[in-house]
Amino acid sequence: QVQLQESGPGLVKPSETLSLTCTVSNESVSDYYWSWIRQTPGKGLEWIGYVYHSGATDYSPSLKSRVTLSIDRSKNQVSLNLNSVTTADTAVYFCARRRVVPAAFDVWGQGTMVTVSS
Amino acid sequence: DIQMTQSPSSLSASVGDRVTIACRASQNVNFHLNWYQQKPGKAPKFLIYAGSTLQSGVPSRFSGSGSGTDFTLTISSLQPEDFATYYCQQSLTTPYTFGQGTQLEI
Repeated sequence: QVQLQESGPGLVKPSETLSLTCTVSNESVSDYYWSWIRQTPGKGLEWIGYVYHSGATDYSPSLKSRVTLSIDRSKNQVSLNLNSVTTADTAVYFCARRRVVPAAFDVWGQGTMVTVSS
Repeated sequence: DIQMTQSPSSLSASVGDRVTIACRASQNVNFHLNWYQQKPGKAPKFLIYAGSTLQSGVPSRFSGSGSGTDFTLTISSLQPEDFATYYCQQSLTTPYTFGQGTQLEI
């Protein structure tokens, strides 16, 4: 069965770039859309964006100026880069597989906690 | 953005109870509504898509209904493993948005 595993630093300094990787097992990244979603106690679940193997992306307007999603087919990984972070970016970050139709998130990684602090 | 509002925010119930959680969209999402279950420290689990279609493997005590702006998730007979937080999510258009969650407590 498909498995997703997020990895990356658990602590990022303000103004720096948050970089996370999602490694996909038992499924090719070329077959689905891949999303990042974050969760905070205050704002709940927040969709960040998705990337398709073609390179097509779509981002939340609230984060669009700071976020980049990419796919590395050779490593079967999906990456998230969020620059100029603030404490408001402290959250649990999930990667998730998005079905083509409907646009539902049917497989999730376990999530990784990222704290933005100096 | 389409705003999703769930009610109630929390709900106390007992094993065997029938419970209903409501989700309202700020604009018409047709049938593009999904439901998830999340337990503490875990990722959300996909339950229902297109308003009423159960994801494979989800017990039949779960059901969804609604269209347009008003949707419901019903659990017909609560089991101990059902105590969790439930979220709705619209998939009509990006940015995809989630409800704030309904915490189902014993």
